[in-house]
Amino acid sequence: KNEVEQSPQNLTAQEGEFITINCSYSVGISALHWLQQHPGGGIVSLFMLSSGKKKHGRLIATINIQEKHSSLHITASHPRDSAVYICAADSNNDMRFGAGTRLTVKP
Amino acid sequence: NAGVTQTPKFQVLKTGQSMTLQCAQDMNHEYMSWYRQDPGMGLRLIHYSVGAGITDQGEVPNGYNVSRSTTEDFPLRLLSAAPSQTSVYFCASSSGLAGVETQYFGPGTRLLVL
Repeated sequence: KNEVEQSPQNLTAQEGEFITINCSYSVGISALHWLQQHPGGGIVSLFMLSSGKKKHGRLIATINIQEKHSSLHITASHPRDSAVYICAADSNNDMRFGAGTRLTVKP
Repeated sequence: NAGVTQTPKFQVLKTGQSMTLQCAQDMNHEYMSWYRQDPGMGLRLIHYSVGAGITDQGEVPNGYNVSRSTTEDFPLRLLSAAPSQTSVYFCASSSGLAGVETQYFGPGTRLLVL
């Protein structure tokens, strides 16, 4: 069993829909990262959180430390949000990654 | 700032050849790391460094060597390439420990070992 599990693996949505991507982890962490990998391959860090909730524009990330679970939400989704979203559990500099969720937002 | 740069962008090697993947950052970041990304397996940590002169192993270190002689550079060496090392390699850096600072990723190096 992977130490970091993401669901769903693939997600197709219509423009404007509210999207949720889930991440569960089994290791102790100092932080949980959400990354976005563009179709061209580049990786961008979206969030780093160790508790509670963070919001950047239409993106919201939450984490429940007790349940070892994090969610990434996208409100009013847009085709430009189409990418692979990756969660990563950081345990004392040792990063463990989920397999990623491929999101496609159709116009 | 150029951020995190990686060279080459693409490389083809024959089994048994050696090569060095270069990574440099101009943000004076202490933490640097190397990952490989394989289809269906996600990113996996190879080696990391918390500062010049300090390196440590990640999840999949076998077949790779690293050194950190300066804050800016963190090269990854393949001493004897194997087809199993065909992958996309990403270098990343952050200003502090990975757990407390956002990581910045390089554009990646696509390696094919024949």
